[in-house]
This record gives sequence, C-alpha cells and structure tokens, in this order.
Amino acid sequence: EVQLVESGGGLIQPGGSLRLSCAASGFSVSTNYMSWVRQVPGQGLEWVSVIYSDGSPYYANSVKGRFTISRDNSKNTLFLQINSLRADDTAVYYCARTHVQMNTLDYLDLWGQGTLVTVSS
Amino acid sequence: DIQMTQSPSSLSASVGDRVTITCRASQSIPSTYLNWYQQKPGKAPNLLIYGASSLQVGVPSRFSGSGSGTDFTLTISSLQPEDLATYYCQQSHIARTFGQGTKVEIK
Repeated sequence: EVQLVESGGGLIQPGGSLRLSCAASGFSVSTNYMSWVRQVPGQGLEWVSVIYSDGSPYYANSVKGRFTISRDNSKNTLFLQINSLRADDTAVYYCARTHVQMNTLDYLDLWGQGTLVTVSS
Repeated sequence: DIQMTQSPSSLSASVGDRVTITCRASQSIPSTYLNWYQQKPGKAPNLLIYGASSLQVGVPSRFSGSGSGTDFTLTISSLQPEDLATYYCQQSHIARTFGQGTKVEIK
C-alpha cells in the first residue's frame, strides 16, 4: 500500500528540539520530492519545507534557520528537525509526496495523517 | 512571497447547489502551478485539482477548476453532503503557499 505515516510529535517545552519522522511505503522517498506542511489547530495550511530528489532542501522564510529537512534512503523515511521550539510552532505537521514535472506541474499528491506538536511549558 | 487570497472565507449552500470558490494570487503565476485541496473535518488534506484544471484520479467530476494569471476558480457543480470540507488553493511557482481556506457548509 502506498502511504505515509508520521511520528515523533508530542508535548515539548519552549526552546527544546524535536525530530519528526515520516515513514513511506509503496514508493521511494529518494526518487521523489518530499514536503512538510503544518497546520495550527483550527487554522489553515502552511507549507514548511521540501527536499528535492537530488537532496536539495528549501524552507519557508518563517522557519529558515531552525528547521532542517532530511531523509534516510535506507529506511525510506523523511525527517524534520525542529530546534528552538516556540509556542507558535504548535501545529499538526504533515508530510506529503510532491509530484513534480519540471517547469510544469508541482503538487502534493499523497499526504500522511499528521503528527501533533504542542509547545508549552 | 506570493500571497494567495481566497473568497469567500466560508459559505453555506444547499445540496444540489452550484458552488464557486475564488483564489487570487498577489502576482501572476503559470496555471500549471495552481492546485486545489479538500480537507474534511479531522482529516489530512487531499488533492482535488492540479495544474488549475486537471482532476486528480478518483475525484468526482462535479469538481472543476479554471483560471489563469492571478485569478482562479474551483467549482462544485452540484453540492453533495460529503463535500462538507475546507478547500485550499496553493501555488507552487515561487516557493509554495496556500490560500487561507474556504469552509463549505451544507444548509
């Protein structure tokens, strides 16, 4: 079955760090673009980061410098390292496969169920 | 950054009604980089339309998309009870940004 399963969320104190995981099955993360999107409870979607198939990472300006996207090809898993956590990082974090055709299409065609990160003392 | 603005923010319509949601970009984007997602309550988002007008596999044909430049539209030709959801547009031309969402309720 083609799916994404996130894990690693939880309650974390401000200033702490967290690594989110996204295990893929049915396809390879190494040959796809993979993204993270977050959603504050009750609010809209915010694109966070993408890693290209060549390993190049890109970030939203709002998280640049604190977030790091990476992947482990042997485990077929995507990661998001979040440092210096703040209250406004509280959100459900989704990973998503990003379908790309160069200079034409770019869309999120497969989403995980999300993992909730709560930043609070 | 390219800002995406949806209107209305919410709407209430009856089963069978035609529903239209508008998405405006702060600058012109190629239509191939405009996508629409549906998020049902408590669920992850799901791709509806990509490239402004291409229907994702498995999505009912009552959904359609159109537009170009800065103005794009999602239309539900005949609203069904299962269409209760929030709908988001997204551009992927420069970085990636979502609209604020349009919540669709059933009267």
